Amino acid sequence: SQQGEEDPQALSIQEGENATMNCSYKTSINNLQWYRQNSGRGLVHLILIRSNEREKHSGRLRVTLDTSKKSSSLLITASRAADTASYFCATVGSSNTGKLIFGQGTTLQVKP
Amino acid sequence: EPEVTQTPSHQVTQMGQEVILRCVPISNHLYFYWYRQILGQKVEFLVSFYNNEISEKSEIFDDQFSVERPDGSNFTLKIRSTKLEDSAMYFCASRRTSGGAYNEQFFGPGTRLTVL
Repeated sequence: SQQGEEDPQALSIQEGENATMNCSYKTSINNLQWYRQNSGRGLVHLILIRSNEREKHSGRLRVTLDTSKKSSSLLITASRAADTASYFCATVGSSNTGKLIFGQGTTLQVKP
Repeated sequence: EPEVTQTPSHQVTQMGQEVILRCVPISNHLYFYWYRQILGQKVEFLVSFYNNEISEKSEIFDDQFSVERPDGSNFTLKIRSTKLEDSAMYFCASRRTSGGAYNEQFFGPGTRLTVL
């Protein structure tokens, strides 16, 4: 079964710096999505990139996808203290139900 | 902005008891999901539901689990006889469909289930 693995597991940066998180997966995908989870809260969708796309932007977020390496990265530019959260990649595969397979997540701390 | 809601936010139960977790998905969405997250672990898919039936379930979703959409708005997850290892955060999610392309899921805030 496909599985997202993310690195680093934890990342601590200063406000204003950029944060990069990586995700790898094992099987073919329809799309890959990134979600954010604030401590003890629900998951918030950030961005979706389809398997035929290589890069996507949304505000301060930039996502890349390399299907040959089965990997994706999420870049958050000019980070803010409010970006402190856990970030998960999730893949949607060939199943027609659209189920998400999540990675372990990266915990990001942005220090003011 | 429409959102997915879940009740209760926290449920404490004794091992062996039945629990029902409730969700109200976004009204024009057609796919519904349950996921769980054991403390400190990743989010795991449990079940997907479409057109009033289960469309896919994981190995976790054994005979102790069931889902129902009783009235066209609520979507429930029932655990018949809870075990200690069922303690987790349970998330409901919903998704609209558009042209056959998969799109993002909208998650509820979760129900924290504690089995004693």
